Amino acid sequence: DVKVTQSSRYLVKRTGEKVFLECVQDMDHENMFWYRQDPGLGLRLIYFSYDVKMKEKGDIPEGYSVSREKKERFSLILESASTNQTSMYLCASSPHRGRQYFGPGTRLTVL
Amino acid sequence: DQQVKQNSPSLSVQEGRISILNCDYTNSMFDYFLWYKKYPAEGPTFLISISSIKDKNEDGRFTVFLNKSAKHLSLHIVPSQPGDSAVYFCAASAERTSGSRLTFGEGTQLTVNP
Repeated sequence: DVKVTQSSRYLVKRTGEKVFLECVQDMDHENMFWYRQDPGLGLRLIYFSYDVKMKEKGDIPEGYSVSREKKERFSLILESASTNQTSMYLCASSPHRGRQYFGPGTRLTVL
Repeated sequence: DQQVKQNSPSLSVQEGRISILNCDYTNSMFDYFLWYKKYPAEGPTFLISISSIKDKNEDGRFTVFLNKSAKHLSLHIVPSQPGDSAVYFCAASAERTSGSRLTFGEGTQLTVNP
């Protein structure tokens, strides 16, 4: 079974803090993704990566950056957290086009 | 520009009856469609998919129908069970333009009442 793990299930940070969200997949997938989920807005793509050290902006990249130094690990960075970044963050991976496998999510609250 | 739209934020059905969840899309380049199910505090899990070369795909109690001319797909769950209560997302991808990325709808909260 594919396993995608995220470093924290719940996180509380203060405005202005730098926040790191980590995601690890164990199936040697090429593609990895970061989404945020907000009520009524569905899943919105922040960034994705199709290879080590490669990254592409999704639909809402502002205020975020990513890092993929190893194939199995994809990190999302909030350089200076703001209250409007309070959300559920979901990481996913896929071996090829189509089906993506999701992690359990990180509920981030920025105070 | 919402390319994938789920117009019903919520749906309530009785146990044993049929649940029909709908999804519309605007991008004619989309050629592969998926449904995911999400429980609170968990990541989405894959349910069923369909390629644009088909108009129907079935997997147990779940059937997805695709109407390309109307740019519409639907997920049928028969019979519905209380454990099906979750948020359902439809998603679409276009091989030529977006590779492996998916575009998701807003989600529909399904509640199945015992």
